[in-house]
Amino acid sequence: KNEVEQSPQNLTAQEGEFITINCSYSVGISALHWLQQHPGGGIVSLFMLSSGKKKHGRLIATINIQEKHSSLHITASHPRDSAVYICAVLYNNNDMRFGAGTRLTVKP
Amino acid sequence: DTGVSQNPRHKITKRGQNVTFRCDPISEHNRLYWYRQTLGQGPEFLTYFQNEAQLEKSRLLSDRFSAERPKGSFSTLEIQRTEQGDSAMYLCASSPGQLNTEAFFGQGTRLTVV
Repeated sequence: KNEVEQSPQNLTAQEGEFITINCSYSVGISALHWLQQHPGGGIVSLFMLSSGKKKHGRLIATINIQEKHSSLHITASHPRDSAVYICAVLYNNNDMRFGAGTRLTVKP
Repeated sequence: DTGVSQNPRHKITKRGQNVTFRCDPISEHNRLYWYRQTLGQGPEFLTYFQNEAQLEKSRLLSDRFSAERPKGSFSTLEIQRTEQGDSAMYLCASSPGQLNTEAFFGQGTRLTVV
């Protein structure tokens, strides 16, 4: 069992839809990353957060430390948002573990 | 600084051959991580370094795998006697090493064992 669980595994949306990707983890962490991976493998860090909420453009990330849960939201989705979104947790010793990723496809 | 650099970007090798990958982290980043990613899966932890010290190794890192970071700067990952199951994307990331800091990823090295 992966200690970082993401859902859904695959998500298809129509352009303009509001999208939510969820991440749950099993033990206490110091921070959580949301990452974006495009075909070809390059990974970009979208957010790093340890509490509350962060917003960047159409992307919003929230985390609930007590519930051990985080969500990534995309408002007004666009085909260029199509990618794999990965949740990664950072433990207190700076060790990092990843979820399996959510493959998002946004259709025009 | 151009970010985390990995070389080569692609490697095709015959089964049984040895391969070595290199990762150049962002300057002055103390932490360096190696991950392996197979198709459709999230990255799996292999090992990480704090400066030149290798602090943890995954059980995925069999005896055929070895990683070094001799001077606390660049790192190499060597796979000996490659097997077809080693085919994957090998990702490197670095971070300053302090609490609550962001990790930066390289583009990865895609290994194909034929």
